[in-house]
Parts: sequence; structure tokens; C-alpha cells
Amino acid sequence: GENVEQHPSTLSVQEGDSAVIKCTYSDSASNYFPWYKQELGKRPQLIIDIRSNVGEKKDQRIAVTLNKTAKHFSLHITETQPEDSAVYFCAASRGRNSGTYKYIFGTGTRLKVLA
Amino acid sequence: DGGITQSPKYLFRKEGQNVTLSCEQNLNHDAMYWYRQDPGQGLRLIYYSQIVNDFQKGDIAEGYSVSREKKESFPLTVTSAQKNPTAFYLCASSRAGDGELFFGEGSRLTVL
Repeated sequence: GENVEQHPSTLSVQEGDSAVIKCTYSDSASNYFPWYKQELGKRPQLIIDIRSNVGEKKDQRIAVTLNKTAKHFSLHITETQPEDSAVYFCAASRGRNSGTYKYIFGTGTRLKVLA
Repeated sequence: DGGITQSPKYLFRKEGQNVTLSCEQNLNHDAMYWYRQDPGQGLRLIYYSQIVNDFQKGDIAEGYSVSREKKESFPLTVTSAQKNPTAFYLCASSRAGDGELFFGEGSRLTVL
């Protein structure tokens, strides 16, 4: 079945450094790849997403890259700040045109930004 | 305020009892989802529904049941057949399975 692997499970960085989280998906029909941030005790919230017709997308300090051939996508956070500390989830979906509205999530990465 | 509402926030159940978690959305979204969150295991899909009166099993549907009689509502019943029901349950919705998933605040179920 469909599967999304996410690494690392925990990541500690010094404030100001960059953080990279990587995901690999198994369903070659996937074409929508969102990233969610979940702060302690709160609901997951979308921070950035990318579709299969784009290789990279950036929003201020956050960027996502996609390699469809290798079925990899990654989240890059630059100039990390203490408020970036949270659990991050990647996900994959085939999108509405497939007729299947299923989102499969990775197992999450706990990011700690050390002051 | 548009959004997705889950209730109750905390729930305690004795072994052998069924319990129903409520999920309501006023975003006019077609698709609704139930995920289970356990430490270190991410978000695992229990059931999802793409349209009223239809729903599909996710990866861990055993011991759970759902209904989708109205577009706004997607309740989840945790039955006594679920072997390890203590967990955090998240409901979500999306416009059409393509785009942002909006999550509720979650329901924490503890079996005593």
C-alpha cells in the first residue's frame, strides 16, 4: 500500500542554523505534497505545500524541494528560531483528479532549536 | 468563524464500552478524515469520506466505525473491538482531497 517514510525522527539545531527533513513516498501517482507543523498541544497546521509540476517552492525561511524521479521531497528551514521548535509532518496525496482523496502522512520529525 | 470542531476534548471509557467522537465542519468541505496519533507513529488514517453517504477504510480501520449522513458531520465510533483505543484522535476536512487539510483540536481518549 501507500507509504511515506520520514527522517530523521528527531533533530536538534542551534538557533540560526538550517534544518532539513526528508520524506520518501511509495505511490508514484502522488502529486501533492504538504508539510504540517504541530506545536505542543495544538492541531497540525499547513506551512507549505508543493505540487508535482514544480521542483521547488519557497516561502520566506521555508522551502520545499521535490524529486519525482526519486520519489523524494524535503523541507528546508533556514535561520532557525526557537519558535520553529515543533513536530513536522510530511504527507502525500494523489489529488482530486485521481478521484481518491487520501492523504498519507509520515511519522513526524521533532525539531528542537537550541538557543 | 469557519472551522472544524471536535468534541469532547477529553474522554474516559471503561473497557468493553463503545464511545463516539464528534466532528463537525462549517467549511463546506466535501472530504472528511479521521486520524489517530500515537507517539512516534505520526498520523495514521482510520477512515475517510469523500462525499455524503460514502466512506472508505484507511490503514487502521479495525475496531472503528463511521457514518456520513450530513456533509458537515463525520462521527467516529470506537468500538469495544478496538484492542488499544487509548490515543489522540484528529478529525480533518479538505475541499476535495487536494489542498489544505484543516484539523480539529483533537479528542484524547483514555480507556481505564
